[in-house]
This record gives sequence, C-alpha cells and structure tokens, in this order.
Amino acid sequence: RKEVEQDPGPFNVPEGATVAFNCTYSNSASQSFFWYRQDCRKEPKLLMSVYSSGNEDGRFTAQLNRASQYISLLIRDSKLSDSATYLCVSTGNQFYFGTGTSLTVIP
Amino acid sequence: NAGVMQNPRHLVRRRGQEARLRCSPMKGHSHVYWYRQLPEEGLKFMVYLQKENIIDESGMPKERFSAEFPKEGPSILRIQQVVRGDSAAYFCASSPGTGSWETQYFGPGTRLLVL
Repeated sequence: RKEVEQDPGPFNVPEGATVAFNCTYSNSASQSFFWYRQDCRKEPKLLMSVYSSGNEDGRFTAQLNRASQYISLLIRDSKLSDSATYLCVSTGNQFYFGTGTSLTVIP
Repeated sequence: NAGVMQNPRHLVRRRGQEARLRCSPMKGHSHVYWYRQLPEEGLKFMVYLQKENIIDESGMPKERFSAEFPKEGPSILRIQQVVRGDSAAYFCASSPGTGSWETQYFGPGTRLLVL
C-alpha cells in the first residue's frame, strides 16, 4: 500500500468554482502534513502546511482528519493561475509525496 | 536570499557515462534531500544528508548511485554507468535543520536524459 494516495484527476473546473482534493495517508504516526503545488516541468512549491485545527490562507483551506487519516485542500473562487498539480505530503521516516492531483481552471 | 540552486538544469548523457548533479541549499540550511521524478509519476525520496553525513539513503538504488554533502561546497548526486531508465527529473530540497519535519524548499531540478 502506498504511503499517500491521491485522486490523480484531472479536475477541470470553471473560473470561480470551488474545488476540493482529498488525500489519504497510511501511517497513523505521521506528525506533519503539507500541500505543495507543482507547475508543469517546474519544482514543487510549498502551498501550505496542514495543522490539526485546520488552517486557511486566503482562498485556500487545508484540513486534517486524523481519525480517518486524510487531509484535504479546498480552493474557493478558482483562478486560471490555480491550474497546476497539487501534491500532498505526509511525514514518517521521510517526506512521502502523493502522485498529485491535476487541476485545470477553464475560462 | 537565494533559493536552492541546482546545476546543470539539463544534462544529456549516453548510456554508460557518469552523471553528476549539484545542489546548493538555501542560505542557512544544513539539510539536503534528493528526489527523483519519473514522467507522469510522483516524487520519490532518494537520500537525506547533512554536512558530511548521510542520514537516510533508504531510497537510493543499491548500485551506481551515490550522494555526498561535503563540509565545503554543494551536495553531489552521482550516477555511474547511466542507463535509459535513469532519465528523470532530479530535485534537491533543503531545510534549516532546526526541527523535525520542517518545510522543505525545492530547487529547480536537473533533467537528465540518457540516450
């Protein structure tokens, strides 16, 4: 079983839509979680850390559900510039990256 | 404050040659991580280093691959006798080393193509 599983998508949504991604992790002892964004042929860039209490940064909200072992990312009022692949990360002995969820925001 | 630097950005090698990939961490960062990303796949952890020490190399192939992070200079990922299956993007990341599971910041990557 993979450490981190994500729905690869693709998600194609119109501008202004709200879209949510989920990610499950297998290691119940994982302590830290992150969402990264990766544009085509570029390096991953940190989008936000995920805290137990949930956290919000502008249009982005991340939540952690330890009981069900999943993390989520909600993007409100999608912009064209949000088009990218979103990678979730859990930690154990190392950083475990999901394979990413592809998002395309359509005009 | 310069970010993580990697060079070369693109590297072409013929089968059997050696590839050397360099990574300079962000200023003030003492921890370096190497990842490999195959086309249409996720990032796979390879190795975690601190200055002059390999902390975790559980993701490194047993043969042909080695990594170092000397006291002076960049971290080096070395691939000997490259094969076509080594073609991938290799990303380096760094972190300050001040706490557990802190954020990692990535360099632009080196894209290796083996002919």
